[in-house]
Amino acid sequence: SQTIHQWPATLVQPVGSPLSLECTVEGTSNPNLYWYRQAAGRGLQLLFYSVGIGQISSEVPQNLSASRPQDRQFILSSKKLLLSDSGFYLCAWEQGAADTQYFGPGTRLTVL
Amino acid sequence: AQSVSQHNHHVILSEAASLELGCNYSYGGTVNLFWYVQYPGQHLQLLLKYFSGDPLVKGIKGFEAEFIKSKFSFNLRKPSVQWSDTAEYFCAVNARDSSASKIIFGSGTRLSIRP
Repeated sequence: SQTIHQWPATLVQPVGSPLSLECTVEGTSNPNLYWYRQAAGRGLQLLFYSVGIGQISSEVPQNLSASRPQDRQFILSSKKLLLSDSGFYLCAWEQGAADTQYFGPGTRLTVL
Repeated sequence: AQSVSQHNHHVILSEAASLELGCNYSYGGTVNLFWYVQYPGQHLQLLLKYFSGDPLVKGIKGFEAEFIKSKFSFNLRKPSVQWSDTAEYFCAVNARDSSASKIIFGSGTRLSIRP
């Protein structure tokens, strides 16, 4: 069966510091991968998605970037964090045209 | 642009009460519709989905939802809730890009069940 991992689970970072959040999927190949940010009372906002290695589409201009160095690895990064980057970040995967996305446990990021 | 509206931010019910959570969407074309649930401390997980066919779909744990195309609605229902249904519920609509599906989520409804 397929599983999705995210780490770290929680992270507290100072303003201006770099960020790297990792997401990996097991038990599938060539998945579509997604990064979302969940803000309280505002649902989930799609940040990036990827349909293959090295292919990244950005949905919202912001202080973040994403990379997909391997088929089942998706990384969310920032060079300098802002206070507004605080939130709950979710990674999700989808197998091709299945249209159903499966979510990881999330990372709670607090920028101070 | 697509959007999804969940009208109830927080719903409080007693056990055995009936539940209906509203969801409306705006999109001019064919849609795939989803309800996701997030139990306290757990992953966001799929509750049920509608792609085509019978507009009344059944999901896990006794939940069902009805797609009413004329009303652009996909309301979630359960005839008798349990304390374990306490969670946050998200309605979502699929927007298909060239090779990836971009799901638009509503803002969520927090459901609290009094034992």
